[in-house]
Parts: sequence; C-alpha cells; structure tokens
Amino acid sequence: GNSVTQMEGPVTLSEEAFLTINCTYTATGYPSLFWYVQYPGEGLQLLLKATKADDKGSNKGFEATYRKETTSFHLEKGSVQVSDSAVYFCAVDFNTNAGKSTFGDGTTLTVKP
Amino acid sequence: GAVVSQHPSWVICKSGTSVKIECRSLDFQATTMFWYRQFPKQSLMLMATSNEGSKATYEQGVEKDKFLINHASLTLSTLTVTSAHPEDSSFYICSASIYEQYFGPGTRLTVT
Repeated sequence: GNSVTQMEGPVTLSEEAFLTINCTYTATGYPSLFWYVQYPGEGLQLLLKATKADDKGSNKGFEATYRKETTSFHLEKGSVQVSDSAVYFCAVDFNTNAGKSTFGDGTTLTVKP
Repeated sequence: GAVVSQHPSWVICKSGTSVKIECRSLDFQATTMFWYRQFPKQSLMLMATSNEGSKATYEQGVEKDKFLINHASLTLSTLTVTSAHPEDSSFYICSASIYEQYFGPGTRLTVT
C-alpha cells in the first residue's frame, strides 16, 4: 500500500552545518511530494513541493528532488540557521486530484548557534 | 497566496461541554476541507474529509458523533467536539484544498 517513511529525529546541528532529512515513499502511481515546516505553536507551512519525477522544489535555501527511481524526496539545506529550528514533515499526495496528503512522522530540527 | 484561518486559536473548556472550531478559506473557494489532529511531538492524523453540501467522510476510528463536521459553504467548515473530555485535548488543524492543501494555523483545545 501507499506509505511515507521519514527519517527519525531529533536532529541537532550547529549553525551553518549541512542538513539532510530523508523521506521515502511507497506508491503504485505518480504522487505529488511536499515538505512542510511547523514552527512551535503554529500550523503547517508549505516549504516546497514537486509534482513529477526529477522536479526540484526549492525555497528559503531548502531543496528536495523528486527521485522516482529511489522513491525518495530528501530535504537538504547547505547552511542552516538558528531560525530554521522547527519540525519538518514530508507529505505525499497519492492521488494528485484529491488534495489530501499522508504525512511522515515529522523530524524535529534544532540549530544551535 | 491562499489563506486559511481558524478560530479560535486556542480554547479551554470544561469536561462535558462542546466546542466549535471554525475553518475559513479567506480568498478562495474550497469544495473540500480536511480536519487533522496532532498530539504533542507527533504527526498529523487525518480525522475527516469535509465536502461542501454533503456529509463528511470520517477516517477509521474517528467517532463521527463526537466530532461533528459541517461544511456549510465553500469557505467555511466547522468542527464541533461534543461532550469534550480531557483526552480530546489536542491541536486541531484544518486545511482547504484547491489542487493542493493550504493549512490553517491550528486550534489548541484544552479540556479541564
């Protein structure tokens, strides 16, 4: 069946370190892929998305590439800042017309100065 | 961009009372809205899909008589937690869908 597996956290990094948060999915079709960010006490904000194979989503220095061959959508940032501390969720819309996503378990990122 | 609001942002109620949470799409019409529940340090759990003008579709294990959902218009869906108990305390998030999901800021419910 369809599923999303996200790298477990928490992740603690020093400022300017490189970030990778892994996300893989299992799907029979061609899903749309998303990364959301949730700051403490707030709702979810869309960080980036990709809707077809080899698409690269990018925003605020974060990037993720839709890898169909490895069914992955890993989130990366070259140099994290303290303000990036948040919970990051990988999400997959298995039916691109439904607008409904399945979420990974979330990864808490803490960036220390 | 598309904006979704929720009201209230936080609410405290006594056990046994009912609480209504509103979800509005401010600048677009959404035929479908979703309600999620999030426990501390956990992921989002989809509770139900709300379609304008029809009954909500609840996920397995969600009590439809306890969590009443009404989607009265293309811009408003409401979630009513009936006879709330402390175990209903949670963060409730709605989203509105127009090709992709746009999330509200969430409502923190505390039942004492």
